[in-house]
Amino acid sequence: EPEVTQTPSHQVTQMGQEVILRCVPISNHLYFYWYRQILGQKVEFLVSFYNNEISEKSEIFDDQFSVERPDGSNFTLKIRSTKLEDSAMYFCASNGQYTDTQYFGPGTRLTVL
Amino acid sequence: AQSVTQPDIHITVSEGASLELRCNYSYGATPYLFWYVQSPGQGLQLLLKYFSGDTLVQGIKGFEAEFKRSQSSFNLRKPSVHWSDAAEYFCAVGAVTGGGADGLTFGKGTHLIIQP
Repeated sequence: EPEVTQTPSHQVTQMGQEVILRCVPISNHLYFYWYRQILGQKVEFLVSFYNNEISEKSEIFDDQFSVERPDGSNFTLKIRSTKLEDSAMYFCASNGQYTDTQYFGPGTRLTVL
Repeated sequence: AQSVTQPDIHITVSEGASLELRCNYSYGATPYLFWYVQSPGQGLQLLLKYFSGDTLVQGIKGFEAEFKRSQSSFNLRKPSVHWSDAAEYFCAVGAVTGGGADGLTFGKGTHLIIQP
């Protein structure tokens, strides 16, 4: 069964550094998402992406964040200058053209020191 | 704005007992409703979903959920829980778009503990 994959599984970085989180969505899916989950809290929507542009973004997704689909398979989330409060689990998700069911990857745990 | 409320932060049930996890939503249009499960250190696995039609939906691992529009609820049930069901359960709501890029709104989750 096809699945969403994410790398790395755990990323540790220093405050102020740039990080790039990578995702490979399910191959025939067209809609891509990033969510985050701060430890012990609920999953929060960050951004959705379709046809090489952002479709929707939450108030969390400020100028420090950017997304990109650099090739036909990868979908990345970049945080330009990490803050302590960016420490969280980041989930990538995707869905196909005719379904609203989002399939989630296993997540990347980001720790900002 | 849409919202999801899961009123129970923790629930403890004995193995073999029945289970019901509550979910209430607020949404201005016809909602998509989902239940996801998250085991410790794992990602989110889809248990079941409701789009339209039969209000009682069946999912994986023996779970079911019932959509009640009049109560704005989508409670998750299982007749007999197993120790492996111990996990965090999230209810989520999204827009019916026929394939689209709307983000899901999640509840805060219910932590299920199974007693032997």
